[in-house]
Amino acid sequence: EPEVTQTPSHQVTQMGQEVILRCVPISNHLYFYWYRQILGQKVEFLVSFYNNEISEKSEIFDDQFSVERPDGSNFTLKIRSTKLEDSAMYFCASEGTENTEAFFGQGTRLTVV
Amino acid sequence: RKEVEQDPGPFNVPEGATVAFNCTYSNSASQSFFWYRQDCRKEPKLLMSVYSSGNEDGRFTAQLNRASQYISLLIRDSKLSDSATYLCVLNSGNTPLVFGKGTRLSVIA
Repeated sequence: EPEVTQTPSHQVTQMGQEVILRCVPISNHLYFYWYRQILGQKVEFLVSFYNNEISEKSEIFDDQFSVERPDGSNFTLKIRSTKLEDSAMYFCASEGTENTEAFFGQGTRLTVV
Repeated sequence: RKEVEQDPGPFNVPEGATVAFNCTYSNSASQSFFWYRQDCRKEPKLLMSVYSSGNEDGRFTAQLNRASQYISLLIRDSKLSDSATYLCVLNSGNTPLVFGKGTRLSVIA
């Protein structure tokens, strides 16, 4: 069964450092998303990406965040200068067509110390 | 009113019991509704979509009431493996998925 894969599974970083979270969506999917989930809280939308550009972003997705799809396969989330409150589980998701089932990756647990 | 509201639980039920969760939503323009399941520290996984006519998948039944803006999930004959957090999820046309905080279910032997 095709799946969304994310690396690394866990990343620990010092406050102020840059991190890049990587995702390989399902190969024929067209819509890509990043969500995050702070421990004990709900899954929150960060950004959606379609046709090589951001289609929507939330208030959380400020100038510290950026996304890229550099090579047609990887989909990355970069946090430029991490803060303690960025500690969360980050999930990548992809959809084949809009408003169909979104498949989630296993997540990257980011810990900022 | 919160966008998607769920009773956080936990619901502690014995094996074989029937349990029901409700979820209310505030945006009347919401078009697509889903129940996702999330195991501890894992990713959300689609359990079932929810249709206006209601739908059933084995032991699971989902209902949508647009007039009252709520959806429900009924689990019959609960199994230990049903223990998880159940997320009410919806979107409105072209918007990304909006998640509720989830309802935690523990099925006890």
